[in-house]
Amino acid sequence: KAGVTQTPRYLIKTRGQQVTLSCSPISGHRSVSWYQQTPGQGLQFLFEYFSETQRNKGNFPGRFSGRQFSNSRSEMNVSTLELGDSALYLCASSPRVRGDNEQYFGPGTRLTVT
Amino acid sequence: QQQVKQSPQSLIVQKGGISIINCAYENTAFDYFPWYQQFPGKGPALLIAIRPDVSEKKEGRFTISFNKSAKQFSLHIMDSQPGDSATYFCAASDSNYQLIWGAGTKLIIKP
Repeated sequence: KAGVTQTPRYLIKTRGQQVTLSCSPISGHRSVSWYQQTPGQGLQFLFEYFSETQRNKGNFPGRFSGRQFSNSRSEMNVSTLELGDSALYLCASSPRVRGDNEQYFGPGTRLTVT
Repeated sequence: QQQVKQSPQSLIVQKGGISIINCAYENTAFDYFPWYQQFPGKGPALLIAIRPDVSEKKEGRFTISFNKSAKQFSLHIMDSQPGDSATYFCAASDSNYQLIWGAGTKLIIKP
């Protein structure tokens, strides 16, 4: 099975712009979670989508949004970018079934805001 | 109550030694406790996981010890090797499937 893929891998944006990141989960996985990781920080949970519905949400401002399509692919959007949004954005897919909550991570998208 | 506290923040161990990373939680509803390993430039990958019905799980040189009454669990890496140098994250989840993450431990194995 192919792993989780994220595009693009690297992105440079200017403060005030908006950005859209994409994630394709492992085939058959219907859950996609998004995380922000900054240097020296842990994994900050953004949100989770399952069957096109947002199931869980972290403590991030409304500038961060996401969606999931019927094929389970997911996108996250950040509007009005700030310098502090520079981070590695990780996507993880999961079967999300009882007894199997393992999350499989993609390589991430490195976002730099200048 | 949703926090998972991980320690230490960083750890240096000699090659061949034992690396120990600890995590503590409050929410007794947590029923799944994974450890993830992350190398620089990569996403985290599941290393080993345990459920609260067992007190220990071993996979090769990696062992999870679980103490339900103390609400603590730990990762032991036996015969630590330079290739084990990475950041390790503990996590916990309940029936809501959301993983609550520890802050991470940067492990350096000195040759």
